[in-house]
Amino acid sequence: GQQLNQSPQSMFIQEGEDVSMNCTSSSIFNTWLWYKQDPGEGPVLLIALYKAGELTSNGRLTAQFGITRKDSFLNISASIPSDVGIYFCAGQTWGAQKLVFGQGTRLTINP
Amino acid sequence: EPEVTQTPSHQVTQMGQEVILRCVPISNHLYFYWYRQILGQKVEFLVSFYNNEISEKSEIFDDQFSVERPDGSNFTLKIRSTKLEDSAMYFCASSWGGQSNQPQHFGDGTRLSIL
Repeated sequence: GQQLNQSPQSMFIQEGEDVSMNCTSSSIFNTWLWYKQDPGEGPVLLIALYKAGELTSNGRLTAQFGITRKDSFLNISASIPSDVGIYFCAGQTWGAQKLVFGQGTRLTINP
Repeated sequence: EPEVTQTPSHQVTQMGQEVILRCVPISNHLYFYWYRQILGQKVEFLVSFYNNEISEKSEIFDDQFSVERPDGSNFTLKIRSTKLEDSAMYFCASSWGGQSNQPQHFGDGTRLSIL
């Protein structure tokens, strides 16, 4: 079945540092989504990407849809304590309703 | 901002018992979904629902599972005879459309614990 490989699995950084994480797949996705999950809560949509090559920002967050449609990355600039959480990428193919999720990247920030 | 709400937040059930998880999707959304997340693992798709019928389901969604929208607002997931391996977080999601350019919005989940 379709799988997304997300890396790194975890990150330990200092407050103020920039963060980069990515997702790759062996198959093509038509939509890439990035969600953040805080403990005890559901995934919250951060950025949605719909076109190959698209680069989209949401505040300090920037995500790109790879031109091969098989990868995406998320960057967080100047990290702050509230950025702590688990970040998931998710892909969706045209005509399908299900989202395929990556394994998540756990971000920990040292103040 | 409108949100998906789920009840209960935590459900503890004896193995073999039936359980019903409830969700109120965002009011103008037409597509509804259930996902589950076993502790420490990724989120997995179970089923999507549109126009009062299942539109897509995964291999996880076997005969033990059923969904319905009994009253036009609640969207429920029923597990008929629970097993230990059904213990997980269950997330409901909704979207306005079913196409890949209509993002899905998630509730905070129900933690299901099977004893």
